[in-house]
Amino acid sequence: DTGVSQDPRHKITKRGQNVTFRCDPISEHNRLYWYRQTLGQGPEFLTYFQNEAQLEKSRLLSDRFSAERPKGSFSTLEIQRTEQGDSAMYLCASSPVVGLETQYFGPGTRLLVL
Amino acid sequence: AQSVTQPDIHITVSEGASLELRCNYSYGATPYLFWYVQSPGQGLQLLLKYFSGDTLVQGIKGFEAEFKRSQSSFNLRKPSVHWSDAAEYFCAVAPLGSGNTGKLIFGQGTTLQVKP
Repeated sequence: DTGVSQDPRHKITKRGQNVTFRCDPISEHNRLYWYRQTLGQGPEFLTYFQNEAQLEKSRLLSDRFSAERPKGSFSTLEIQRTEQGDSAMYLCASSPVVGLETQYFGPGTRLLVL
Repeated sequence: AQSVTQPDIHITVSEGASLELRCNYSYGATPYLFWYVQSPGQGLQLLLKYFSGDTLVQGIKGFEAEFKRSQSSFNLRKPSVHWSDAAEYFCAVAPLGSGNTGKLIFGQGTTLQVKP
């Protein structure tokens, strides 16, 4: 069990550019979550997948954000036309089975929009 | 609205001293409760969780937490702090209810500094 991995770990981009982040959950975890963490704050829920189905999206997830989880394995989070306010740490977590099991977090992708 | 409050943004304790980090939640029913720790450059690591049963739960690294329903609190404690405990600590709840997804609602965190 290698844990949740995220790629890249750091991303610097210019305002207006598109960025895509990848999350590889622990194998066979059917639940996958994305959170956003800004400096000095706790993580905030963005979206949730059960297998390949995206079942919930936070109002924080504007139209510029899109997430996918094809085939119920890895997930991608894309931000289009980035804004400086998008600068944050983007965290991915996965959990096993159906139910409120423990979420295991990846190391995060730190995004800086210039 | 559902919320989690960690009243102490920053706490400094001496190595070997005891520690208590406070957490209060606002929710209609008892949610599932968690404490996570985040070290610089690291992901969030689960310290302990409370689902039901004994209100005093033991976690990793010598931490424990006590759930008090009457106070809507879930405070984290450690009898003797080590320098390696310096990190940011987050209390989180997973609201219960039909269609719940297991998403976590986090407090804003408490930064722990340990003095030698």
